[in-house]
Amino acid sequence: DAGITQSPRHKVTETGTPVTLRCHQTENHRYMYWYRQDPGHGLRLIHYSYGVKDTDKGEVSDGYSVSRSKTEDFLLTLESATSSQTSVYFCAITREGNSPLHFGNGTRLTVT
Amino acid sequence: ILNVEQSPQSLHVQEGDSTNFTCSFPSSNFYALHWYRWETAKSPEALFVMTLNGDEKKKGRISATLNTKEGYSYLYIKGSQPEDSATYLCAFIPGGKLIFGQGTELSVKP
Repeated sequence: DAGITQSPRHKVTETGTPVTLRCHQTENHRYMYWYRQDPGHGLRLIHYSYGVKDTDKGEVSDGYSVSRSKTEDFLLTLESATSSQTSVYFCAITREGNSPLHFGNGTRLTVT
Repeated sequence: ILNVEQSPQSLHVQEGDSTNFTCSFPSSNFYALHWYRWETAKSPEALFVMTLNGDEKKKGRISATLNTKEGYSYLYIKGSQPEDSATYLCAFIPGGKLIFGQGTELSVKP
């Protein structure tokens, strides 16, 4: 298995609270991605990073921010969680665009 | 917004049937096309990464072809088995982003 860990694995939070999800890798890969999985939508890209402090928006970035201060960590923050952000969140890493993605085990987030 | 379309959305076949799915993507600014297999309650796993027009890749009973000029890729499964039941995703890379299609959900009945 590629060395990629997501934490927490499960979280229940209330509407309006801030939430941070962490993706940690031990592979020294350059690219890191955050996706959300929703029924009927497959995987949708939230944000991605192509190096330390280099990030860009994906398809569904509204309401989310990210930070990458170290190669190994990519944090996804929901500044003020809403019920529409209830989802399963996957982190993925890769060396470069023509290399396959390796996915974490996912974080199931429920916003009540 | 870049559109990656997969068809069909779902497919039900009998064990032993051969099947194929389609992934359509914008033909301009092509960099790479990925295929993934995603079983329920697990994480997606890579099948193929394809970069050249005319590429053909094979892994056991699963193979894929790529046409970058017309913007499509086919995934074939020969002699489907129940363990092939999964969602098959393609992903297109324009620049650094990796955009997924909605997937084709395959169910293989014994």
